[in-house]
Amino acid sequence: RKEVEQDPGPFNVPEGATVAFNCTYSNSASQSFFWYRQDCRKEPKLLMSVYSSGNEDGRFTAQLNRASQYISLLIRDSKLSDSATYLCVVNMWGSYIPTFGRGTSLIVHP
Amino acid sequence: NAGVTQTPKFQVLKTGQSMTLQCAQDMNHEYMSWYRQDPGMGLRLIHYSVGAGITDQGEVPNGYNVSRSTTEDFPLRLLSAAPSQTSVYFCASSPRTADEAFFGQGTRLTVV
Repeated sequence: RKEVEQDPGPFNVPEGATVAFNCTYSNSASQSFFWYRQDCRKEPKLLMSVYSSGNEDGRFTAQLNRASQYISLLIRDSKLSDSATYLCVVNMWGSYIPTFGRGTSLIVHP
Repeated sequence: NAGVTQTPKFQVLKTGQSMTLQCAQDMNHEYMSWYRQDPGMGLRLIHYSVGAGITDQGEVPNGYNVSRSTTEDFPLRLLSAAPSQTSVYFCASSPRTADEAFFGQGTRLTVV
């Protein structure tokens, strides 16, 4: 079983829709959590960190549920430019190795 | 702001050839790593380093060597290229564990 699991999608949504992705992790010792965005044929870039209290950045909201061991990303009012692959990243306490999920593909259409 | 610089961006090799993918960062980050990304497989860790002179293997290290003689540079060597090594390679750095990773633009390698 992979340590970080994501639904690969693709999620096809119209502009203006709200879409949510979940990511589950298997190691309860996980310390820090991130969402990265990767555009086609580009490098991954940090979208946002995920804190225990949750955090919001404009149209994007990330939440952490330690009890159920998952993190989520909510995108409101989707734009065409949101089309990308969203990678879930988990760091274990004391580990030098961030663990990446395989990514969830989002396609926003007119 | 250079960040993480990878060279070359594209490379075609013949089976059996060797080459070095270069990675340099100017942010004085301690932690550097190499990943390969294949369709449907996500990012897989090849090798990583927690500081100059210290390297370790990741998930898929076979066929690759690394060294870390300086904080800035972390080259990845393909010893004898095989078609299975056709992939996109990313170098990343971060200031310490559990921090944001910064990626280079990637190297698209094709082995024929």
